[in-house]
Amino acid sequence: DQQVKQNSPSLSVQEGRISILNCDYTNSMFDYFLWYKKYPAEGPTFLISISSIKDKNEDGRFTVFLNKSAKHLSLHIVPSQPGDSAVYFCAASVEDSNYQLIWGAGTKLIIKP
Amino acid sequence: EAGVTQSPTHLIKTRGQQATLRCSPISGHTSVYWYQQALGLGLQFLLWYDEGEERNRGNFPPRFSGRQFPNYSSELNVNALELEDSALYLCASSMTFGTGRHRGYGYTFGSGTRLTVV
Repeated sequence: DQQVKQNSPSLSVQEGRISILNCDYTNSMFDYFLWYKKYPAEGPTFLISISSIKDKNEDGRFTVFLNKSAKHLSLHIVPSQPGDSAVYFCAASVEDSNYQLIWGAGTKLIIKP
Repeated sequence: EAGVTQSPTHLIKTRGQQATLRCSPISGHTSVYWYQQALGLGLQFLLWYDEGEERNRGNFPPRFSGRQFPNYSSELNVNALELEDSALYLCASSMTFGTGRHRGYGYTFGSGTRLTVV
């Protein structure tokens, strides 16, 4: 039972353009969402998060959008840079689960020069 | 500030053997989480320790176990290794759960231990 789904295993984007990574969830009780970035041979690093009371959170080139009615969130990276090439994980948590993070399978983002 | 450190980096074991993986959290972090990332899959939650106690475990058999020491470092033990246990095992640490600050902000991961079972 995959509660957090990232349906695109990979995404290729031209440098300088916008990268949009998508994440869908099924549990309407999720109240906190996070994006992590992972380089090969390294652990994931926290990128940006959003509470369910908001629909947008922005941090520099990174913006996360939350559409609760569609149970969908997306991460926008503008402009995309070569260093953004990594695997991006979407994660969600709900208070009742002791804040445990439920993770998506990840999307590999490739930025082409 | 030193990050989360995991040892060993790589581990090769024979089927049926036992593996012990170690994790040292960031200073001041009391919670330690273990995750398994098998090839092509996302992060699967294994275990959560906080203040020396097991707080939660994922959907893994009992041969996956661990403990947290008084200095908050942690060990993950995998007994009776099977070929499908081959994966990257990631440890993360955070501030204590009660503050709520660990809701994403405080998860810091180590670089992982690559376990190969042959």
